[in-house]
Amino acid sequence: GDSVTQMEGPVTLSEEACLTINCTYTATGYPSLFWYVQYPGEGLQLLLKATKADDKGSNKGFEATYRKETTSFHLEKGSVQVSDSAVYFCALFDSARQLTFGSGTQLTVLP
Amino acid sequence: DSGVTQTPKHLITATGQRVTLRCSPRSGDLSVYWYQQSLDQGLQFLIQYYNGEERAKGNILERFSAQQFPDLHSELNLSSLELGDSALYFCASGGVGEKLFFGSGTQLSVL
Repeated sequence: GDSVTQMEGPVTLSEEACLTINCTYTATGYPSLFWYVQYPGEGLQLLLKATKADDKGSNKGFEATYRKETTSFHLEKGSVQVSDSAVYFCALFDSARQLTFGSGTQLTVLP
Repeated sequence: DSGVTQTPKHLITATGQRVTLRCSPRSGDLSVYWYQQSLDQGLQFLIQYYNGEERAKGNILERFSAQQFPDLHSELNLSSLELGDSALYFCASGGVGEKLFFGSGTQLSVL
């Protein structure tokens, strides 16, 4: 079935460092791809999405590009802040119209 | 605030017991999804309801059941609880399209 693989965490960065969290997927067809973020004690929130190849989703300084050739949707941010500390989940809308999530990557940003 | 309300926030119970988790979706959303989040399994899709009808089933145990009522709120019933059922249970709601809105979850501890 469809699946998502995320880089293992946790990731610890200093403030203003560059962030990349890798995400690759396996799916039939071309699913929509998502990044969700979970702040401590809260539910998941949609961070950004892309619905077709070469689309770039962006929000709050985060970006991810839908790469069909490499079946990837890596999350990037040029300069992270302490407030970005959270768990980040890559996800796809699979052929059964369900959200399938990756295992999540814990990000900690130190001042 | 996502607009999705889950109660209770915390639940502590004993093995063999039965509990009910409640979810009120965002106003206007017809779909309700239930997810289980645990350290070893990650975020697992359990079941989806759409306008009162079961739409899709994921990795839901036979000891678990759910329903969606005419006012669109949903309940997840967990019975014959085991230690391994301890997890964070999320409800999400969705309308048209693929975007889901998550509640803040119910933390279940089985002792």
